[in-house]
Amino acid sequence: SYELTQPLSVSVALGQTANIPCGGNNIGSKNVHWYQQKPGRAPVLVIFRDRNRPSGIPERFSGSNSGNTATLTISRAQAMDEADYYCQVWDSTTVVFGGGTKLTVL
Amino acid sequence: QVQLQESGPGLVKPSETLSLTCTVSGGSLSSGSYQWSWIRQPPGKGLEWIGYIYYTGSTNYNSSLKSRVTISVDISKNQFSLRLSSVSAADTAVYYCARALFLGADCSYDYWGQGTLVSVSS
Repeated sequence: SYELTQPLSVSVALGQTANIPCGGNNIGSKNVHWYQQKPGRAPVLVIFRDRNRPSGIPERFSGSNSGNTATLTISRAQAMDEADYYCQVWDSTTVVFGGGTKLTVL
Repeated sequence: QVQLQESGPGLVKPSETLSLTCTVSGGSLSSGSYQWSWIRQPPGKGLEWIGYIYYTGSTNYNSSLKSRVTISVDISKNQFSLRLSSVSAADTAVYYCARALFLGADCSYDYWGQGTLVSVSS
């Protein structure tokens, strides 16, 4: 079965850029989606199909996908961006989530 | 605005069957571009996809849970349901229902319920 690998944690200084990687075999050939989850809340879609932002998601959120790594980038990180982030793909009729990355804004 | 709401018991005994229902408002379950899913999250852990159902009744399940899972749909009530049999403590989790926008060989979850905690304990 297909697996997605994320680091357990990433830290970023307030106002700087955070990059959250999601690794998978030839993930560049798949569409990658990203979710933000704050404590006690349901996940929220922040990036779909590698690089597209749903309505209402700040332009600070962007994504890329190539080779074996997809990346969620958060520019000018704010305290409100502190959350868990999950990548997700569709693989052969099943849904796969990464293990999640906790983003800490220092 | 589409809204999803989970309902069902918050406590289930080991070896019994967990049953949850998701009520959809602001949209129809019979919309062709969507699949309706259950996803769970054990306390302090990540998201685990359980399975999905299409409005026609077609289903697909996580292979690790397939022998114990049934997802069904009631179009007339705009609801879909989850049954998970022979539960154990490992099934304790927040259970979410969610709508997946399905486009070709791809899906992403654009709407989620608030989640409901189900504990398995005697």
